[in-house]
Amino acid sequence: EDQVTQSPEALRLQEGESSSLNCSYTVSGLRGLFWYRQDPGKGPEFLFTLYSAGEEKEKERLKATLTKKESFLHITAPKPEDSATYLCAVQLTGSNQGGKLIFGQGTELSVKP
Amino acid sequence: ETGVTQSPTHLIKTRGQQVTLRCSSQSGHNTVSWYQQALGQGPQFIFQYYREEENGRGNFPPRFSGLQFPNYSSELNVNALELDDSALYLCASSFRTGNSNQPQHFGDGTRLSIL
Repeated sequence: EDQVTQSPEALRLQEGESSSLNCSYTVSGLRGLFWYRQDPGKGPEFLFTLYSAGEEKEKERLKATLTKKESFLHITAPKPEDSATYLCAVQLTGSNQGGKLIFGQGTELSVKP
Repeated sequence: ETGVTQSPTHLIKTRGQQVTLRCSSQSGHNTVSWYQQALGQGPQFIFQYYREEENGRGNFPPRFSGLQFPNYSSELNVNALELDDSALYLCASSFRTGNSNQPQHFGDGTRLSIL
């Protein structure tokens, strides 16, 4: 069964304390892996797409990496405004998949000043 | 560039009723997907529409149905509402051509509460 698992479920950091979020996946065939940020009461906001093992993407304090079994979202020197739930999702190969995204349960990040 | 918009933002219904949720896709996008997000969980795929036809469906019963219109907007219809249908319903649009996997962009959702 195709599955996405994120860890930890919740993470509390002090401002400036760097850390990483993990997204492990078990899928029949990976077309792409996506990272989203979701603020309370809002829809997910797209951050990155990764397509193949070894690929890396960066945006401000965030850096996403991909291996054959997992992805990491590294947060360098986070600020309070980085507080949000971070969602990982995979899109599968196969024409019968209809472009669906399979999401993990998310990691709730809280950054204290 | 206009983003994905959904209406209404909040809705309260009772068991057994029917509901219609609406979504306007981001300009330039031709594909719409619908997701259900329970509190504290990641979104779950309901179905996707492309060229006005359903193009993939998740593990949801037939009482969940949808439409896509020529302007690429979409509706999600849910019949015979149950208490477990209480959730945030998210619409996402993307541009599809061939097998490309452009990222899906989400609206802020409709919060549906079933009493």
